[in-house]
Amino acid sequence: EAGVAQSPRYKIIEKRQSVAFWCNPISGHATLYWYQQILGQGPKLLIQFQNNGVVDDSQLPKDRFSAERLKGVDSTLKIQPAKLEDSAVYLCASSLDGETGTSADTQYFGPGTRLTVL
Amino acid sequence: AQKITQTQPGMFVQEKEAVTLDCTYDTSDPSYGLFWYKQPSSGEMIFLIYQGSYDQQNATEGRYSLNFQKARKSANLVISASQLGDSAMYFCAMREGRDYKLSFGAGTTVTVRA
Repeated sequence: EAGVAQSPRYKIIEKRQSVAFWCNPISGHATLYWYQQILGQGPKLLIQFQNNGVVDDSQLPKDRFSAERLKGVDSTLKIQPAKLEDSAVYLCASSLDGETGTSADTQYFGPGTRLTVL
Repeated sequence: AQKITQTQPGMFVQEKEAVTLDCTYDTSDPSYGLFWYKQPSSGEMIFLIYQGSYDQQNATEGRYSLNFQKARKSANLVISASQLGDSAMYFCAMREGRDYKLSFGAGTTVTVRA
C-alpha cells in the first residue's frame, strides 16, 4: 500500500513570495491533516479535513495560509506572502477514521516539505 | 498546560541494550489514544505503536512496547535490543475525545552507540 505522498521535498524562497505544497493521502483515508513542525519542536496542527470539508482550522494563520482539498483526495497548502518565521517542515498526514479510542484513528505521515524562507 | 510531557531531551544507548523513553500526559477525557512516532534525520514521522485508553493490555509491536500506567498518566516507550537504525527523534502524542488533532511532546533524541 502506498504511503502519504508530498511534494516538493525542499523549497527555498524569499520572504513575501508565495509557495504551495501538495499532498496525496493513503488511498481510502477520509481524514487529512497539515502540520507545521518548527525545528526542535513537535508538530502543530494547522488544518484538518474530513473528506473535502474543513473540520478544524483554528490554528491556521488565515491572513497568509490557505488550504483546500478538492474532491476529498489531494490537498494543497499555500502560503502567501511568506514570512521568515514560516521556515519549518510541513507535514501531511492521513487517517482512516476520525473516531478516537481505536487504532483506526492512527495518523500516517508523509515525508514532509522542508521550507526555508530567506 | 502541556498535554504531553517528555522530560528527556536526549539519550545515549549501547547497541543491543534496551532503552525507555518517558511520556506523561494530561487529560480529563476518558476516551483518548496515545501514540509514539519515530522521526529520523530524513524528517518523516514513522508510526510505531498505539495505546487506547480502554485497552486492558500494554501494546507491543515487535521490539517496541508501551508501558501504560493509566493511574499515573504515563505511557513510556520501551525499545528492546537497540539497533543503530533506531537513532532518531521520538515523539509521544495524544488524541482526546472528539478533538481529532494530535498533541505532541517536545521529543526525545535517541543515539545508539556501536
